[in-house]
Amino acid sequence: DVKVTQSSRYLVKRTGEKVFLECVQDMDHENMFWYRQDPGLGLRLIYFSYDVKMKEKGDIPEGYSVSREKKERFSLILESASTNQTSMYLCASSLYTGAFGTEAFFGQGTRLTVV
Amino acid sequence: TQLLEQSPQFLSIQEGENLTVYCNSSSVFSSLQWYRQEPGEGPVLLVTVVTGGEVKKLKRLTFQFGDARKDSSLHITAAQPGDTGLYLCAGGGWNNAGNMLTFGGGTRLMVKP
Repeated sequence: DVKVTQSSRYLVKRTGEKVFLECVQDMDHENMFWYRQDPGLGLRLIYFSYDVKMKEKGDIPEGYSVSREKKERFSLILESASTNQTSMYLCASSLYTGAFGTEAFFGQGTRLTVV
Repeated sequence: TQLLEQSPQFLSIQEGENLTVYCNSSSVFSSLQWYRQEPGEGPVLLVTVVTGGEVKKLKRLTFQFGDARKDSSLHITAAQPGDTGLYLCAGGGWNNAGNMLTFGGGTRLMVKP
């Protein structure tokens, strides 16, 4: 069974802390994504990666960075957490298949609260 | 950035009623996907449509991709409480790094028994 696992379901961090969100997939997918989800705004893409050590900015990369040292693992880093980064964070992976959209498999999400 | 607008944002109906959710854009997409997300979980794919005018049925759910591949609809017949959730459409396309998905804002559906 296909699986994307995020390291934490819930996190509470203080303003200014460095925060690491980890995501692991077991499907040998090339593509991995980090989204944040806020009410009424849908899923907004923060960063994505299409290969090991490769990364591309999404629509809202400010205040975030990412790391992909191994194919199965994609980490999202909040360099200095701020209260406006309180959100649900979703990791996803997909197979690279060409022009048509492929199914994205999502983790269960990490609800981050910055106080 | 390509934008997808979903309507309505919220829908509360009684069990047994029919409903339609819309997903519209001014951009053309190579494919259109619908996901359902339940509280505390990530979205799960329901269907992918890739051909303009395509209609797919999944039990009581009917999905349609517009002829111009800019819009889509999801119709649920005789809704049940188990259909409750957040429905997200996602348009497939490309940027210079590969195939991408752009998500709509979602329709939150509540079906009351």
